[in-house]
Amino acid sequence: EIVLTQSPGTLSLSPGERATLSCRASQRIGVSYLAWYQQKPGQAPRLLIYGTSNRATGIPDRFSGSGSGTDFTLTISRLEPEDFAVYYCQQYDGSLGTFGQGTKVEIK
Amino acid sequence: EVQLVESGGGLVPPGGSLRLSCAASGFTFSTYAMNWVRQAPGKGLEWVSYISSTSTTIYYADSLKGRLTISRDNAKNSLFLQIHSLRADDTAVYYCARPYFGDYVSPFDYWGLGTLVTVSS
Repeated sequence: EIVLTQSPGTLSLSPGERATLSCRASQRIGVSYLAWYQQKPGQAPRLLIYGTSNRATGIPDRFSGSGSGTDFTLTISRLEPEDFAVYYCQQYDGSLGTFGQGTKVEIK
Repeated sequence: EVQLVESGGGLVPPGGSLRLSCAASGFTFSTYAMNWVRQAPGKGLEWVSYISSTSTTIYYADSLKGRLTISRDNAKNSLFLQIHSLRADDTAVYYCARPYFGDYVSPFDYWGLGTLVTVSS
């Protein structure tokens, strides 16, 4: 099973700042098979990025994804108030995929 | 509009069984694989099970293998998950989720609101 490790656990930033979230895999993942989600309290997750760098429908362009191999990054260029949430990476390279443990982006 | 509505959760004693349902609407259900994902209170996400559009391919999480049965009824646009021998650590919100790319293992673009399963005596 591929284990995804996200860092940091919590990111404390102010609106307007840039957020950089990391997702590291225990083994190599194809770039087509890495996604990112946003989850707010009491809500289901929302798909942000698929295939490492492709924004899902309706996702603003301040969200971007990059990476390859075992290291992947989600960048939020300028944090808006609605972006403070928990973010999960997910790999789906194979049968049943796995999620990272999440990074919480909180208001500083 | 795509909608996924889960039901069947509740309070169950340890060792019990439960059958969860997901009613789908707003898309051609029979052409999509479907998935169950769970989230324990205050914890992260765990992909539990996958079923292809025609039920020919099924995957289960290793941590739950042997205690799960996923199934679907395309005529009724419904997805099911039977869980046996429930334990306290099965307590979670169970979501059904639709894959972005039709009948493939792929990320999830639509999720239900979830149904809470609580395992306790």
